[in-house]
Amino acid sequence: EADIYQTPRYLVIGTGKKITLECSQTMGHDKMYWYQQDPGMELHLIHYSYGVNSTEKGDLSSESTVSRIRTEHFPLTLESARPSHTSQYLCASSEWDSYTEAFFGQGTRLTVV
Amino acid sequence: DAKTTQPPSMDCAEGRAANLPCNHSTISGNEYVYWYRQIHSQGPQYIIHGLKNNETNEMASLIITEDRKSSTLILPHATLRDTAVYYCIVRGTSGSRLTFGEGTQLTVNP
Repeated sequence: EADIYQTPRYLVIGTGKKITLECSQTMGHDKMYWYQQDPGMELHLIHYSYGVNSTEKGDLSSESTVSRIRTEHFPLTLESARPSHTSQYLCASSEWDSYTEAFFGQGTRLTVV
Repeated sequence: DAKTTQPPSMDCAEGRAANLPCNHSTISGNEYVYWYRQIHSQGPQYIIHGLKNNETNEMASLIITEDRKSSTLILPHATLRDTAVYYCIVRGTSGSRLTFGEGTQLTVNP
């Protein structure tokens, strides 16, 4: 079983609100990732981190921001939610060595009304 | 990381083997082939990976051609619960990111 957790699982929020999606892992992994996925569509990498105080933008431009102050924690923040942010957000982690598997959380399904 | 090409969809009868192909003609010598699957928008699940030798685990087998330009994931006895999107990914150095393509939608029919 993967020890990576995302909260909340579902979130419905009004336009203009600030939200933070939580992602935590207890495996001591250096690498962490955030993906955005619309129903029936591809997974798009939006942010990743190689360790504490390291964050990078992914392939898909996103208005969200991330931080990595602790190894186990990689929260994603939207300062002002909009309906276009409605999507599923998936968090993952892996060891530094790319020759090992990545583990995914169950995702947060965000709806902005 | 090398690009991969997969068919968008495949069907398989329950109990039969499902053979999912992947082309990765630009793969380089230090890049591994990984397979993940995603069941109905859950988080993707790791299946198997390999470098150049064929690999087998409790979930599947991975056959990599001798020139490493293509591979096949084999689910020996597909069940309805194997219906999912299957992603073939090529990853190299420790600094490489983990990115997904469109994958293959496998539908196992009763």
